[in-house]
Amino acid sequence: GNSVTQMEGPVTLSEEAFLTINCTYTATGYPSLFWYVQYPGEGLQLLLKATKADDKGSNKGFEATYRKETTSFHLEKGSVQVSDSAVYFCALRATSGTYKYIFGTGTRLKVLA
Amino acid sequence: GAVVSQHPSRVICKSGTSVKIECRSLDFQATTMFWYRQFPKKSLMLMATSNEGSKATYEQGVEKDKFLINHASLTLSTLTVTSAHPEDSSFYICSARARGSRHAGELFFGEGSRLTVL
Repeated sequence: GNSVTQMEGPVTLSEEAFLTINCTYTATGYPSLFWYVQYPGEGLQLLLKATKADDKGSNKGFEATYRKETTSFHLEKGSVQVSDSAVYFCALRATSGTYKYIFGTGTRLKVLA
Repeated sequence: GAVVSQHPSRVICKSGTSVKIECRSLDFQATTMFWYRQFPKKSLMLMATSNEGSKATYEQGVEKDKFLINHASLTLSTLTVTSAHPEDSSFYICSARARGSRHAGELFFGEGSRLTVL
């Protein structure tokens, strides 16, 4: 079946450090891939997405590239800020036309000043 | 982006009682709403898909008589946990798919509701 695996947290970094949160997936066909972010006390917000192989999603300095050969969608940011502290969820939507999402476990990021 | 609001954000109840959680789309109409459950250190698990004016579609293993879902209007869906027990304690999150082209293809999430059953 379809699944998403992301690295366990928490991840603690100093401000301006480089961030990578790994995400791999298992799916039939060609899923769309997403990263959602949940700030403390808030709902999940879409951070970025990619809908086909080799697409790169980017937003707020975050990037992730849809790698079909490695079934991965790793989240990266060159220089994190304290305000990036949140929980990050990797997700896939298996089939175009359906809105069933499968989420990873979430990775908590804590950025220290 | 569009706003989805859940209420209550936290609820504590006694075993055997029923609890209702509301999910509202505040500035858009939602043709479809989804209810998720999150266990500690686990993924968000899709419980059911709720379409306005029709019966919810439950995922395998989710008891429909236990988790009653009503999507009475294009802006409101409710999840009622009936005869709650401690094992129902969890974080419940709703999401809504927007109607129309303005937010086509995007899901919007509520803040979540933490249920604790004593």
